[in-house]
Amino acid sequence: SQKIEQNSEALNIQEGKTATLTCNYTNYSPAYLQWYRQDPGRGPVFLLLIRENEKEKRKERLKVTFDTTLKQSLFHITASQPADSATYLCALPMDSNYQLIWGAGTKLIIKP
Amino acid sequence: EPEVTQTPSHQVTQMGQEVILRCVPISNHLYFYWYRQILGQKVEFLVSFYNNEISEKSEIFDDQFSVERPDGSNFTLKIRSTKLEDSAMYFCASRMTSGSFETQYFGPGTRLLVL
Repeated sequence: SQKIEQNSEALNIQEGKTATLTCNYTNYSPAYLQWYRQDPGRGPVFLLLIRENEKEKRKERLKVTFDTTLKQSLFHITASQPADSATYLCALPMDSNYQLIWGAGTKLIIKP
Repeated sequence: EPEVTQTPSHQVTQMGQEVILRCVPISNHLYFYWYRQILGQKVEFLVSFYNNEISEKSEIFDDQFSVERPDGSNFTLKIRSTKLEDSAMYFCASRMTSGSFETQYFGPGTRLLVL
């Protein structure tokens, strides 16, 4: 069955540095991959979508890469700020209807 | 900016009781979803809904669950006889088109606690 893995340990980063989060998947060839942000007690908020034929996508301080050979996506936040502290989830679409399957998320803590 | 809304934000119920969770998707969206997230665990897909019928459901979505779009705006999830293990955050999401790259927009969630 499909599996998505994200680093379950919290990632502590100094403010101003680049944070890099990893999403690995197995037994799957998704047409695209999405990254979401989730704050405690809140719903996921969509950040970026990257398609299988795209190597990299950027949005302001965010950058996502997608390596379909390694079955891995990297999510980068440059010039990180304490307000970037949250849990970041990767999600992939399942088959028809595009229901999403989710990684467990990585908690990012940006220290001032 | 349009957003998905959910009510109530919190619901406490006794085991065996019925609960109805309500969602108002973004108005021009056509595809609707329910997900749940047990505290500290992954977000899990429950059901997708299109054209007034269920298009896909997961193993979690058993006979205790049902969904309905009673009017042009609301989308509800009913749990007929709640169990302790139904305690979770329930998220509604909606999507505009059938395009594969169309993202889903999530509501803020309803926190359900079954005692």
